[in-house]
Amino acid sequence: EPEVTQTPSHQVTQMGQEVILRCVPISNHLYFYWYRQILGQKVEFLVSFYNNEISEKSEIFDDQFSVERPDGSNFTLKIRSTKLEDSAMYFCASGGDSGGPSYRSYNEQFFGPGTRLTVL
Amino acid sequence: GDSVTQMEGPVTLSEEAFLTINCTYTATGYPSLFWYVQYPGEGLQLLLKATKADDKGSNKGFEATYRKETTSFHLEKGSVQVSDSAVYFCAPELNNYGQNFVFGPGTRLSVLP
Repeated sequence: EPEVTQTPSHQVTQMGQEVILRCVPISNHLYFYWYRQILGQKVEFLVSFYNNEISEKSEIFDDQFSVERPDGSNFTLKIRSTKLEDSAMYFCASGGDSGGPSYRSYNEQFFGPGTRLTVL
Repeated sequence: GDSVTQMEGPVTLSEEAFLTINCTYTATGYPSLFWYVQYPGEGLQLLLKATKADDKGSNKGFEATYRKETTSFHLEKGSVQVSDSAVYFCAPELNNYGQNFVFGPGTRLSVLP
């Protein structure tokens, strides 16, 4: 069964440093997403990405954040200058099967295991 | 704006007990509705979904029915197991293209043997 993978599983960084979180979505998916979950709190939408551009973003996704799909397989989230409050679990998700033998609804999302970001 | 209200946890039950986790939502139109589950130390997994009114989603003994009239999507299971211990998230989609989910706050379920 194909799955979404994320690296690293845990990232520790100093405040003000840049971090890049990496995701490999399921290969024939068309939509890509980042969510975050501050410890013990709800899952919050950050951004969705389709056709090589951002399609939706939340208020959390300010100028410090950016996303990229540099090579057709990876999907990255960059935080330019991390703050203490960026400490959270970051989940990547993909969805929107482009067709094939096992069609799935466009509105089902498959989540990766997450990257725990700790900002000191 | 769109929002989700979900039963506060934590919920602690004995094995084989009946489970209900309430979820109500506000949204424009008729969103598809999802329940996701997060087992300890893992990411989110789709548990079940319903895409239109009166649809019933089911998986692993869990069920939820799309109630348009009450804008609810309550999760139920007749007999819980220790392995069901997890956090459960109700999530209506924000628009018809699945561009964004609004997740509920999550309900932590602990099932005791």
